[in-house]
Amino acid sequence: EVHLVESGGGLVQPGGSLRLSCAASGFIFSDHYMDWVRQPPGKGLEWVARIRMRANSSTTEYAASVKGRFTISRDDSRNSVYLQMNSLKTEDTALYYCARHAGCINSCYSAMDYWGQGTLVTVSS
Amino acid sequence: DIQMTQSPSSLSASVGDRVTITCRASQGISSWLAWYQQKPEKAPKSLIYAASSLQSGVPSRFSGSGSGTDFTLTISSVQPEDFATYYCQQYNSYPLTFGGGTKVEIK
Repeated sequence: EVHLVESGGGLVQPGGSLRLSCAASGFIFSDHYMDWVRQPPGKGLEWVARIRMRANSSTTEYAASVKGRFTISRDDSRNSVYLQMNSLKTEDTALYYCARHAGCINSCYSAMDYWGQGTLVTVSS
Repeated sequence: DIQMTQSPSSLSASVGDRVTITCRASQGISSWLAWYQQKPEKAPKSLIYAASSLQSGVPSRFSGSGSGTDFTLTISSVQPEDFATYYCQQYNSYPLTFGGGTKVEIK
């Protein structure tokens, strides 16, 4: 069974940093792209970042709102994906979800098929 | 960026009703569209991918259709456990984008 467990959220002051982790189990982690998606309190979903497989050079994509401030990375030996968040702003306050890309079968156009329960990040002074 | 517009933003339905939610992309996305269900205080759950393919374990009362710019999610006979918020998402190009959500409430 696929499990994704996020950790690392908390309260941080504007301008501060935080590193989120997502521990994966129940599947071959190295075979999947991974995403971070966030949801501000009471609002909708916003995609944040994606990291491809090592077979695709672990290349990354970012939303414009976080590019240059956030860095997604992965450690396949630990079945984990990370989100380093720097220069945090109050508008980064949200529940951050880790999600699994369904996989590259005939193509790498795939939706997110499994989601973790999220970790809450609050940016406030 | 591709904008995803869902309508309606909310609706009320009775158990057994047929419910249809629409999602429009600001430019063509082929069939690279997913639908997710989110219940209060829970993570989103994948329902449909590639516009019309049902995720494993999802009841057959859920169906999706469309291609290009116009898509629909239909619940043929809404059940009590279906009252939730539904989001569409395009994965044709970056940045990946979600619709604003449709809240399905009990009438």
